[in-house]
Amino acid sequence: QVQLVESGGGLVKPGGSLRLSCTASGFTFSDYYMSWIRQAPGKGLEWVSYINNGGTFTNYADSVKGRITISRDNARNSLYLQINSLRVEDTAVYYCARESGGLDSWGQGTRLTVSS
Amino acid sequence: QSVLTQPPSASGTPGQRVTISCSGGSSNIGRNAVNWYQQLPGTAPILLIDHHNQRPSGVPDRFSGSKSGTSASLAISGLRSEDEAHYYCGAFDDSLNGWVFGGGTKVTVL
Repeated sequence: QVQLVESGGGLVKPGGSLRLSCTASGFTFSDYYMSWIRQAPGKGLEWVSYINNGGTFTNYADSVKGRITISRDNARNSLYLQINSLRVEDTAVYYCARESGGLDSWGQGTRLTVSS
Repeated sequence: QSVLTQPPSASGTPGQRVTISCSGGSSNIGRNAVNWYQQLPGTAPILLIDHHNQRPSGVPDRFSGSKSGTSASLAISGLRSEDEAHYYCGAFDDSLNGWVFGGGTKVTVL
């Protein structure tokens, strides 16, 4: 079955950097667009970025543009999110999700806390 | 502030029908399919209604979606205690070239 497992979250100081990872299994990873979505504590869902199946096209939410880079390694069935210049407002659970008629499969999320 | 607008809460007694609305615009719901997601407490969201307005495998037929113009709705019939959750509408926005969501509706079973 489809499985997405995020990792890489933790406690980071403002201004720091972090790379989140998402490992996929149970489907042909290279066939699908992928997205990152985040959820701040007690808040709703916020789409962050997506990448096409070949990794040649990306887009970002305005709130993170210029600080975040999405990438993928289809040989490793892995999706990544590099976040630089971290801000307190980046504190959230970060989910990776597969795109197929909507965001049809989600990982369990990885928690990022930005605090001094 | 979310691009799509949902009521913050809805409630009903077991067996009742509850409807959640979602209002958007011409660049999102007006052009693209609406998806609905359920998020149980402490868990990741799951897709409840897909872009064909169908339920993925495993989703009970008590859940149904509809769309008209730039608005959509999710209906839960035969409400059960396990339906207590947050529900989010979502759609692709052609102007933003990304996914947008509603702020979420917390459904309480009285």
